Amino acid sequence: AQSVTQLDSQVPVFEEAPVELRCNYSSSVSVYLFWYVQYPNQGLQLLLKYLSGSTLVKGINGFEAEFNKSQTSFHLRKPSVHISDTAEYFCAVSRRGRGTSYGKLTFGQGTILTVHP
Amino acid sequence: NAGVTQTPKFQVLKTGQSMTLQCAQDMNHNSMYWYRQDPGMGLRLIYYSASEGTTDKGEVPNGYNVSRLNKREFSLRLESAAPSQTSVYFCASSGGRTSGATSQETQYFGPGTRLLVL
Repeated sequence: AQSVTQLDSQVPVFEEAPVELRCNYSSSVSVYLFWYVQYPNQGLQLLLKYLSGSTLVKGINGFEAEFNKSQTSFHLRKPSVHISDTAEYFCAVSRRGRGTSYGKLTFGQGTILTVHP
Repeated sequence: NAGVTQTPKFQVLKTGQSMTLQCAQDMNHNSMYWYRQDPGMGLRLIYYSASEGTTDKGEVPNGYNVSRLNKREFSLRLESAAPSQTSVYFCASSGGRTSGATSQETQYFGPGTRLLVL
């Protein structure tokens, strides 16, 4: 089984400042990693994903994340945030390969990012 | 191309009432999922359907049933609603017929159904 821990439930930051949202995972098997964003009263939208290859993954809206296998982390970063980045962010994992768990996502608890002017 | 659609958007039920949440996708995806979202708990998988004709329990299936009506549609039924089922429910789909492995993994979400059980 997999589990995901998002280390901060809320992150306040000023506009144009950098931000890092932290995500650690636990799994006995290899996983795929995802970050989703949820704007108020909307569904979830994929920001970026790590499937294989380069451990630095770039996503939409200037976000990037780095997969660190030794630390089992997948932290999300943005060098300069905007007011419009205010949202809730979810880290998620799914098991690699086929089998009964194929495609199922396990989510973290979410981090609310609030960008202040 | 509407993606994933859900109906209704909002619903208020009394304890013991039943209802069905509808979900449809137009992306020719094989897999579909139902999640519930509660504050501070992220999204938890209720049921999923890896392909047409199959359904399996997720993390929190108690009190729910599902039907994969066809490849497009996946419904969630509450037979006897309880206040503990007050939540926001999301449907998602993944996996296109002609897509490679890298597309199989991405789940696309609907806008959600907000359910209040009194």
